[in-house]
Amino acid sequence: DIQMTQSPSTLSASVGDRVTITCRASQSISRWLAWYQQKPGKAPKILIYKASTLQSGVPSRFSGSGSGTEFTLTINTLQPEDFATYYCQQYDFYPVTFGGGTKVEIK
Amino acid sequence: EVQLVESGGGLVQFGGSLRLSCVASEFAFSDFGMNWVRQAPGKGLEWISYISASSATIIYADSVRGRFTVSRHNAENSLYLEMSSLRGDDTAVYYCAPKGGSGYVGWLDPWGQGTLVTVSP
Repeated sequence: DIQMTQSPSTLSASVGDRVTITCRASQSISRWLAWYQQKPGKAPKILIYKASTLQSGVPSRFSGSGSGTEFTLTINTLQPEDFATYYCQQYDFYPVTFGGGTKVEIK
Repeated sequence: EVQLVESGGGLVQFGGSLRLSCVASEFAFSDFGMNWVRQAPGKGLEWISYISASSATIIYADSVRGRFTVSRHNAENSLYLEMSSLRGDDTAVYYCAPKGGSGYVGWLDPWGQGTLVTVSP
C-alpha cells in the first residue's frame, strides 16, 4: 500500500498568515493527489485534485503543487473559516490512502 | 445540488451485523463508482471499499475484506454496506462518496454527512 505522510500534524497560525502543508508519498504517484478540508462534526470537502486543480467554488487562496512523491497545499491569507483539519489522499492505486491530517489552529 | 444521505448506523455488539445505506439524489448515480470511507472518533480517514458503476469491480481494504460486503441498486440510487463480525475498531463514522474523474481510481466528491456505527462489548 502507498503510505501518505503529512507534516506538520498541527500548525498554529494567525488570520492573514500564509501556511503550507506537506504531503509525502511512499512511492511516486505522479500527480494523482487530492486535498480535503474537514471541520469538526462535518464531512470532508474536496479542495484540490490532480495535485493542483482547484475544485469549483473553492477560494483561490488555496493552491496545490507537486508531483511524484512530494506535494504541498498552500493557503494564502488565512481566513477565520480556514481553521480546520486538512488531509491529502492518493488515488494512483487501490487501496486509496490518506495522510494522517494536519490541524490548522488559531495561534 | 448533489445529496448523499447515509443511514443505518447505531449501536451493535461485538460480533454483530449492521447494514448501512447511502441514498443519492440530484446526480447520475448509475454513472459513478462509489466509495465507503470511515473515520474512527478523533482519528483520520480510512478508505474501506469501492464499487464500480455497474458493480463489475469491487475492492475492499484489508481491514474489512471478508467481513463487509458492498452493493448497489442503481434503479433506487442506493449504495449499501453489509457489515458482519463487527469489532471494536470498526467503531467510526461511515461516509459514502462518488469517485471523481474518469480513471480507475479517483478523488472523492462530494461526501455524505456520515452515519455513526458504535460497536460495544
